[in-house]
Amino acid sequence: KAGVTQTPRYLIKTRGQQVTLSCSPISGHRSVSWYQQTPGQGLQFLFEYFSETQRNKGNFPGRFSGRQFSNSRSEMNVSTLELGDSALYLCASSLGQGESNQPQHFGDGTRLSIL
Amino acid sequence: AQSVTQPDIHITVSEGASLELRCNYSYGATPYLFWYVQSPGQGLQLLLKYFSGDTLVQGIKGFEAEFKRSQSSFNLRKPSVHWSDAAEYFCALFNFGNEKLTFGTGTRLTIIP
Repeated sequence: KAGVTQTPRYLIKTRGQQVTLSCSPISGHRSVSWYQQTPGQGLQFLFEYFSETQRNKGNFPGRFSGRQFSNSRSEMNVSTLELGDSALYLCASSLGQGESNQPQHFGDGTRLSIL
Repeated sequence: AQSVTQPDIHITVSEGASLELRCNYSYGATPYLFWYVQSPGQGLQLLLKYFSGDTLVQGIKGFEAEFKRSQSSFNLRKPSVHWSDAAEYFCALFNFGNEKLTFGTGTRLTIIP
């Protein structure tokens, strides 16, 4: 069974640009969560999607957005990139509800560098 | 509000020695707790989880953790570490009320020969 797949693995952008990251969950998983990992702030929850609906959101500005498709694949978009957006962005998937929503299985992340 | 504290930022252990990584949590109900490991440049791999029942849980790679409600702790242990255990370890708590997974700040483990 394939794990969580994130593409691309590495990305370099400049300030002001926008970026889209992709996450394909484990087959059968309906929940996809996104996290930002930085040395200073650690692992911070961005948002979670379940059945194409954003079910939960962390404390990030509106420049960070996401969506989920009918096949549970998810994309995350960051607009007007800032230097502080440089981070490892991790995607995690899980079955979806209640106890079956855990544990989350993580992808290897997308390393985003802003120049 | 829920929180997870990992008091040790960095721990160095000799290969073959025992290991204990500390994790304390704050949560108003029965917690769902996890330990994850992250190797450089990689994502998070689940080591073990505690949902309910037996307070001593076994995980992969020879790790175990003990849930102690009275101490609000969920410490990770391994009797004999291997050089390949060098990584960063994260304790996490899941809140079913808001479906959020909260992570501790992580403990970096270094293994010396």
